[in-house]
Amino acid sequence: QKEVEQNSGPLSVPEGAIASLNCTYSDRGSQSFFWYRQYSGKSPELIMFIYSNGDKEDGRFTAQLNKASQYVSLLIRDSQPSDSATYLCAVNQGSDQGAQKLVFGQGTRLTINP
Amino acid sequence: DGGITQSPKYLFRKEGQNVTLSCEQNLNHDAMYWYRQDPGQGLRLIYYSQIVNDFQKGDIAEGYSVSREKKESFPLTVTSAQKNPTAFYLCASSKWGSTEAFFGQGTRLTVV
Repeated sequence: QKEVEQNSGPLSVPEGAIASLNCTYSDRGSQSFFWYRQYSGKSPELIMFIYSNGDKEDGRFTAQLNKASQYVSLLIRDSQPSDSATYLCAVNQGSDQGAQKLVFGQGTRLTINP
Repeated sequence: DGGITQSPKYLFRKEGQNVTLSCEQNLNHDAMYWYRQDPGQGLRLIYYSQIVNDFQKGDIAEGYSVSREKKESFPLTVTSAQKNPTAFYLCASSKWGSTEAFFGQGTRLTVV
């Protein structure tokens, strides 16, 4: 089982609709969860982070975390063509050396159709 | 301006050569990371460092080496032992106690 899993897509959503992206993780000790957006050929940019169970909203974006189910999601409301990108889920995991490492899923490619 | 600078943007390497990718940050971040991304894939962790003079192997460290002699700098050497080095390499950094990591612009390495 991969440490962080995402459906690779592609996910196709009409403009103005809600896009829903999902992520599951294997390490129950994980404390911090992140969503990055990556345009083709570019580096990832952080768009949301969440530490506590429940929902966190920022503009058109909502992150949802359920630690009992080991599940993180990202909702994008009123989807725009500029939202078309690959979305990467990342999870902070502790290591046996005491340091913490950030582990990424394989990403979900999202296309918003005008 | 504060940020993370990776150089070069594009790098070509002949088989059997070692190459070093540069990563510098002026954000006063403690932690630094190196990731590799292959086409259509997610990011895989190569090495990470929480403090100066200390670093840990990630999931795919074989064929790579790093150093952390200064807080600002975390260079990655791709050695000849790395069997398939052609990839997009990304450096990231974050504050101590936080893993809101921010990325450099990446180095695209091609073996010719």
